[in-house]
Amino acid sequence: DTGVSQDPRHKITKRGQNVTFRCDPISEHNRLYWYRQTLGQGPEFLTYFQNEAQLEKSRLLSDRFSAERPKGSFSTLEIQRTEQGDSAMYLCASSPRPTYRGGSSYEQYFGPGTRLTVT
Amino acid sequence: AQSVTQPDIHITVSEGASLELRCNYSYGATPYLFWYVQSPGQGLQLLLKYFSGDTLVQGIKGFEAEFKRSQSSFNLRKPSVHWSDAAEYFCAVGLRNTGFQKLVFGTGTRLLVSP
Repeated sequence: DTGVSQDPRHKITKRGQNVTFRCDPISEHNRLYWYRQTLGQGPEFLTYFQNEAQLEKSRLLSDRFSAERPKGSFSTLEIQRTEQGDSAMYLCASSPRPTYRGGSSYEQYFGPGTRLTVT
Repeated sequence: AQSVTQPDIHITVSEGASLELRCNYSYGATPYLFWYVQSPGQGLQLLLKYFSGDTLVQGIKGFEAEFKRSQSSFNLRKPSVHWSDAAEYFCAVGLRNTGFQKLVFGTGTRLLVSP
């Protein structure tokens, strides 16, 4: 059973550097989501892809953040000119194509996350 | 705005005792509701979900939750807690007024299990 995978699991970087994270969703899941979770908080939605199209972006996603899903499979999240406030766990989730009756298509399956520390 | 409230930041329960974690939501339409569990340094695992129908839903690991529309609540319960249940629990609302399933999470409840 292959779940959602994320790489790297941990990243320590200095302020001002660029970082890129990768997410591999469950195969055949056409929907992919990025969330950010800071200490003591629940995850907050960042962005959503349906296949290769980025259909929604949160206001949390500043101009320094960019996400791609070029072939509708894996996705990358890049943060440019990192700031200490970017330190968080970045979570990726995927969900399958909706069925006529909805149901399990509304379940999101999460990866283990990438913990970013900006020093 | 849609929101989820988990009023208890921490809860300590003795092993073998019953558990109830509270969740209240604010959302104009009938929500999709979820409970997720997160172990330290890990991602989130889905425990159970409510979409429609029977308001008492069963999940994995012996958990259940009851949807009460009149109280805007979706509390999580377990009759007998095991030490391995110690983790952080998140309640979430799925927003169906968007073209996709955006989840709004509560701030979580950390469960501690004492021997």
